Amino acid sequence: DAGITQSPRHKVTETGTPVTLRCHQTENHRYMYWYRQDPGHGLRLIHYSYGVKDTDKGEVSDGYSVSRSKTEDFLLTLESATSSQTSVYFCAITPEAPGGTEAFFGQGTRLTVV
Amino acid sequence: AQKITQTQPGMFVQEKEAVTLDCTYDTSDPSYGLFWYKQPSSGEMIFLIYQGSYDQQNATEGRYSLNFQKARKSANLVISASQLGDSAMYFCAMREGGDTGRRALTFGSGTRLQVQP
Repeated sequence: DAGITQSPRHKVTETGTPVTLRCHQTENHRYMYWYRQDPGHGLRLIHYSYGVKDTDKGEVSDGYSVSRSKTEDFLLTLESATSSQTSVYFCAITPEAPGGTEAFFGQGTRLTVV
Repeated sequence: AQKITQTQPGMFVQEKEAVTLDCTYDTSDPSYGLFWYKQPSSGEMIFLIYQGSYDQQNATEGRYSLNFQKARKSANLVISASQLGDSAMYFCAMREGGDTGRRALTFGSGTRLQVQP
């Protein structure tokens, strides 16, 4: 258990409203990630962070922003939700141990934009 | 171009038989890692096995083994003696850049495995 908690676990929101998803970790890992999962696409990287206030874009970052003001929290914000952002969102962390360290994932957040 | 390709959207296997899930990858980075994850119907992502690009031997973890063919850029997952609980979606993923860089994973589109009694 890598101590990753996502909230909320489920959310239904209306088109055009802002939405923030939270990822909380208990083990002070520097690297944190947000992915989205859609049928036929696997998981795709939205944004990632390599430290407090250090973030960068992934492959599908349009329409999303992130913030990391504390090591333990990584927030994903949809500024104005669209139906194309209906998806399952996963937060992940990667420990910095050398070698083949796997990524650990949160339980996922199912977001529906209506 | 796709970095990770899983060409089998779905597969069936009889209980107790072995099954191979295909994965090919594309990278020009000499240092990379290959991962397999299992996602059961409950939705969580479960790490199964890892293979480093410099590893000389194929990785094994219990009933899971990774058939790593570097020249062919393939990293197939072999599950021996399938069990009903193996029914799930399986994802192949790659991390490029070794211990440097963003350390993010690139995923394939997945293979849904169904084990039949």
